[in-house]
Amino acid sequence: AQKVTQAQTEISVVEKEDVTLDCVYETRDTTYYLFWYKQPPSGELVFLIRRNSFDEQNEISGRYSWNFQKSTSSFNFTITASQVVDSAVYFCALSEDNFNKFYFGSGTKLNVKP
Amino acid sequence: DTAVSQTPKYLVTQMGNDKSIKCEQNLGHDTMYWYKQDSKKFLKIMFSYNNKELIINETVPNRFSPKSPDKAHLNLHINSLELGDSAVYFCASSHGTVYEQYFGPGTRLTVT
Repeated sequence: AQKVTQAQTEISVVEKEDVTLDCVYETRDTTYYLFWYKQPPSGELVFLIRRNSFDEQNEISGRYSWNFQKSTSSFNFTITASQVVDSAVYFCALSEDNFNKFYFGSGTKLNVKP
Repeated sequence: DTAVSQTPKYLVTQMGNDKSIKCEQNLGHDTMYWYKQDSKKFLKIMFSYNNKELIINETVPNRFSPKSPDKAHLNLHINSLELGDSAVYFCASSHGTVYEQYFGPGTRLTVT
């Protein structure tokens, strides 16, 4: 079974639409960390957010927001009023503290059309 | 003042050759990684070093050997290259495995 599942392979939206990227994780560890990274067409990988398993507070950063729900093992990412520059592959990742393991999801490609 | 740098950026070579990719970070991090990203964008961790000690060693052919001469450097040597090794290889660093990773620009390896 995959540790990090990003079921949406590719999403296309029109500029200014809101879009949510789903991430479901699986772990037996009690202490773990979740991340989102962005990979624009230029290819570099950019860190967006880190969240630990004890902090279920949602986070907002400009047009980006993250919803962490331990009850459903999900860490979803919403972009509000999407822009063409948001077009990228977005990766969700999990780090297990006690097992010294790190996993990336398979990524969701977001296409934002003008 | 690049944070994580990799050389070379592109590497084209023939099957059977041996090649190395170098990685350096100037962030003061104690943990470094190598990832392989295939043509479908799937990112797979290969190795991780913490303070020059190997801590993550995923199922990777023995032809791949990482070397960490110091905390700021993690090199990847690949022996007897095969067509399936063609991919983009990313180096990354962090303050331990539970913190965010900062990635290098990637090395696109093409084996012909």
